[in-house]
Amino acid sequence: GQNIDQPTEMTATEGAIVQINCTYQTSGFNGLFWYQQHAGEAPTFLSYNVLDGLEEKGRFSSFLSRSKGYSYLLLKELQMKDSASYLCAVRDSNYQLIWGAGTKLIIKP
Amino acid sequence: DVKVTQSSRYLVKRTGEKVFLECVQDMDHENMFWYRQDPGLGLRLIYFSYDVKMKEKGDIPEGYSVSREKKERFSLILESASTNQTSMYLCASSLRRNTEAFFGQGTRLTVV
Repeated sequence: GQNIDQPTEMTATEGAIVQINCTYQTSGFNGLFWYQQHAGEAPTFLSYNVLDGLEEKGRFSSFLSRSKGYSYLLLKELQMKDSASYLCAVRDSNYQLIWGAGTKLIIKP
Repeated sequence: DVKVTQSSRYLVKRTGEKVFLECVQDMDHENMFWYRQDPGLGLRLIYFSYDVKMKEKGDIPEGYSVSREKKERFSLILESASTNQTSMYLCASSLRRNTEAFFGQGTRLTVV
């Protein structure tokens, strides 16, 4: 079966760095997405990786290792507004998105 | 910016009612999707459409149907609402199959 695993909840301190991991087992691979979802709101697109390596976008970076079925989202200089759920999704060989359950990130002052 | 608009933020319906959830996107996207989101579970695909009048079943289509008569509009229909369909429903669209999806604000449906 297809499976995406990510931690249920993480806590970090304002100004610090946090890494959210995602491991996957899917039928084929056509890219990995990270989305941010604030409570009660729609998910918004953060990043996309299709090749191995690190993609940096401001305070957020995303890493992919296809051979290990592994990705992480790195958030630097954490701000209170970063408190949200972070969703990992993999596009499989049929171009369907398989979603993880999301990681709830709590930022403390 | 892409805008995906869902007709209602909150809905309360009675068991057995027919429920319509409407979704409109304004960026001429080919692809549209309906998901439901429940605590502790990832988004689950109900139905999707890659073109007008075209529809495909997702992972959990039972109890649902869809309609796409115009490119910009994708409707989700609960033929006879049941309490286990209480959930957050999210509509999304994408330009092509290999591009990112943009989501509507979600409809929180409660079936009593």
